[in-house]
Amino acid sequence: DQQVKQNSPSLSVQEGRISILNCDYTNSMFDYFLWYKKYPAEGPTFLISISSIKDKNEDGRFTVFLNKSAKHLSLHIVPSQPGDSAVYFCAVLNFGNEKLTFGTGTRLTIIP
Amino acid sequence: NAGVMQNPRHLVRRRGQEARLRCSPMKGHSHVYWYRQLPEEGLKFMVYLQKENIIDESGMPKERFSAEFPKEGPSILRIQQVVRGDSAAYFCASSPNLDGPFGSRAFFGQGTRLTVV
Repeated sequence: DQQVKQNSPSLSVQEGRISILNCDYTNSMFDYFLWYKKYPAEGPTFLISISSIKDKNEDGRFTVFLNKSAKHLSLHIVPSQPGDSAVYFCAVLNFGNEKLTFGTGTRLTIIP
Repeated sequence: NAGVMQNPRHLVRRRGQEARLRCSPMKGHSHVYWYRQLPEEGLKFMVYLQKENIIDESGMPKERFSAEFPKEGPSILRIQQVVRGDSAAYFCASSPNLDGPFGSRAFFGQGTRLTVV
């Protein structure tokens, strides 16, 4: 029972262009949506989040979009930089239930 | 302010031995979470603890696995009689006692890579 899906295991983007990472979820009752970045042999690092009452949140080069009707979440990175090469995980959470449910991740490679 | 500290970073155990993984949360954080990442998979929640209390252990295997977060000292994830399938990266996270969902403010450690041979 996979509640959070990242259907693209990998993505390559030219430096300076926009990277778009996608995530689909099954439960319309989720309250909070997050993106994490992970380098090899390190723990996940929080990037950006959005609550279910919003449809967009922006922080510098990172923007998260939430489409509740489609149960779809996306992360836009613009412009993409070589240091953005990493595995990106989306995660969901419910208020009162503190556990994060993660997707399987998308490996982003930025081509110089 | 040091981050979430996990040790050891790498742990090799023979089948049947015990594995003890330690996690020191960030200073001032009272919530600790353990996650496991199997090869080629996302992180899976195991257990959520506060000081001296297990709040949610719905992701813990029913046997051989236990966790604690004592009043003093680090949180410990203990795996008894390890099997090859326990080989994974185990991540600890901690969060402060602030408004909003605690789990959304979690900072992760670098993980312990357990290899069972």
